[in-house]
Amino acid sequence: GAVVSQHPSRVICKSGTSVKIECRSLDFQATTMFWYRQFPKQSLMLMATSNEGSKATYEQGVEKDKFLINHASLTLSTLTVTSAHPEDSSFYICSAREGSSYNSPLHFGNGTRLTVT
Amino acid sequence: AQTVTQSQPEMSVQEAETVTLSCTYDTSENNYYLFWYKQPPSRQMILVIRQEAYKQQNATENRFSVNFQKAAKSFSLKISDSQLGDTAMYFCALDVGNMLTFGGGTRLMVKP
Repeated sequence: GAVVSQHPSRVICKSGTSVKIECRSLDFQATTMFWYRQFPKQSLMLMATSNEGSKATYEQGVEKDKFLINHASLTLSTLTVTSAHPEDSSFYICSAREGSSYNSPLHFGNGTRLTVT
Repeated sequence: AQTVTQSQPEMSVQEAETVTLSCTYDTSENNYYLFWYKQPPSRQMILVIRQEAYKQQNATENRFSVNFQKAAKSFSLKISDSQLGDTAMYFCALDVGNMLTFGGGTRLMVKP
């Protein structure tokens, strides 16, 4: 079946540094990818929708200058947490839609646990 | 705007028994998709079952089935013959217009 690879699975960084998280669709082309944030024992909150070749659409309350999203190809989207602070520590999950229609299946990466010290 | 509500934060069931997880949603759209995802301790999101809103027949996937009541905007998940491996967080999700909205989740514990 379709696979989405998310890397790294865990990252620890110092406050003030930037961290890049990659989301790759391994065996399909993904016109649209989604980035979620999940706090402990809570649900997934959509941060932004990433469309290949265009600017990402951010949800209300998500700082676009802090969470930079790039979707330069049909198989790769990246989320960069800039000038990270301890409150950015969280679990980040990407998902990719297989195909271009809205009813195409959605596949999830394994997530990235970010710890900012 | 779409909303998804799961009213049961935690549930438990004895192994081999049946359990039903509740989900209600709200949308003004007529065409949409509903999902149940399972998130075990590994945090991997696993698709359990999917329902197209235009289909009246309830989806079934082995031990998992749904009760889809479109007029009531209700989408419950029934797990039959519960197994220890079913222990996980379960999220109900609504997919409308290229946007997936998740419910708050239900933590299910299957007891031996």
